Amino acid sequence: EDQVTQSPEALRLQEGESSSLNCSYTVSGLRGLFWYRQDPGKGPEFLFTLYSAGEEKEKERLKATLTKKESFLHITAPKPEDSATYLCAVQGQTGANNLFFGTGTRLTVIP
Amino acid sequence: KAGVTQTPRYLIKTRGQQVTLSCSPISGHRSVSWYQQTPGQGLQFLFEYFSETQRNKGNFPGRFSGRQFSNSRSEMNVSTLELGDSALYLCASSSTSRLWETQYFGPGTRLLVL
Repeated sequence: EDQVTQSPEALRLQEGESSSLNCSYTVSGLRGLFWYRQDPGKGPEFLFTLYSAGEEKEKERLKATLTKKESFLHITAPKPEDSATYLCAVQGQTGANNLFFGTGTRLTVIP
Repeated sequence: KAGVTQTPRYLIKTRGQQVTLSCSPISGHRSVSWYQQTPGQGLQFLFEYFSETQRNKGNFPGRFSGRQFSNSRSEMNVSTLELGDSALYLCASSSTSRLWETQYFGPGTRLLVL
């Protein structure tokens, strides 16, 4: 069965302190790995899609990378407004139109 | 352009009752997906409707059902509520076939089952 594990569950960073969030996955044929951001009281907001190992995508202070077993979301010089829960999801070959989500990493950036 | 709206925002029910949640997609969006979010299980896909037809379905029991109307508005129904159904129910709408990248989420309906 497709499975996604995110770590750490929670992360506190000082403003400007770079770090990485991890998303480990088990899937029968990866069709896509997705990163979302979720603010309290709101629905998730799409950030990135990665399709194959070695692929990288960037957006402002965020950079997502993908290997055959995991994805990293690197946050460079974070700001307080980057505080949110970051969700990872995978779409596999089986159940092709179903997304499997991790439980997220809750990021807090302290000024 | 108005975003995805969900009603009600909060709901309290008791075990055994049934509940209907409503979702109005962004104007022009024909796809509506429903998700359940709980602290333990995270976000789980329930089903997706496109042009009044259920196109995709996650792994939930038959107590969870939905429908979509000709104006793309969607409703989700849960019958015979269980304590474990307490969750945030999110609706998302999309206008393209690249569903997972272009979906916009509503704020959710928080359901508490007592």
